[in-house]
Amino acid sequence: KNQVEQSPQSLIILEGKNCTLQCNYTVSPFSNLRWYKQDTGRGPVSLTIMTFSENTKSNGRYTATLDADTKQSSLHITASQLSDSASYICVVTTGAAGNKLTFGGGTRVLVKP
Amino acid sequence: ETGVTQTPRHLVMGMTNKKSLKCEQHLGHNAMYWYKQSAKKPLELMFVYSLEERVENNSVPSRFSPECPNSSHLFLHLHTLQPEDSALYLCASSQDHSPRNEQFFGPGTRLTVL
Repeated sequence: KNQVEQSPQSLIILEGKNCTLQCNYTVSPFSNLRWYKQDTGRGPVSLTIMTFSENTKSNGRYTATLDADTKQSSLHITASQLSDSASYICVVTTGAAGNKLTFGGGTRVLVKP
Repeated sequence: ETGVTQTPRHLVMGMTNKKSLKCEQHLGHNAMYWYKQSAKKPLELMFVYSLEERVENNSVPSRFSPECPNSSHLFLHLHTLQPEDSALYLCASSQDHSPRNEQFFGPGTRLTVL
């Protein structure tokens, strides 16, 4: 069964600090992996997309990594800001017929001043 | 602004009511989606429309009835809902219905069923 597990479920960090979110998946065959940011009361917005051959991709202070061998991805937030408070959702696309999306449960990040 | 709008943003309804959620996308996309987001659960895909035709229906109860009159508009008609249907309902669109394409989400409708 295709699954995407995210950890931790929630995280509190102080403004200016770094943090790393984890995403482990069992989706096979793999096509791509996206990280979405969802602010409270808003819809998710794509941060990064990574395909099989990509190990690292950055979008401003957000850096995503992918290890396709261990089926793990991480999202690193550098020098966190109050506006980074949101849920971060990992979504994996299978390359099999039907091209399904599998969503993780998300990590809720709260940045405190 | 994502280019996908949803109305209403908040809705409270009784179990015997009939209401509709509306979604409109201004991105020229050909595919539209309805998702349900419950607390502490992953997003659940409900329906997929491509060029106004339903291409996916993920075992959703018949009390949820989608309608796609054109590629820019998507509705979700609700009737005789249950309290467990309370959730955030998200609409999304993408260039076509291949999951490899980025989906652009609306802000959602927060639904409460009493």
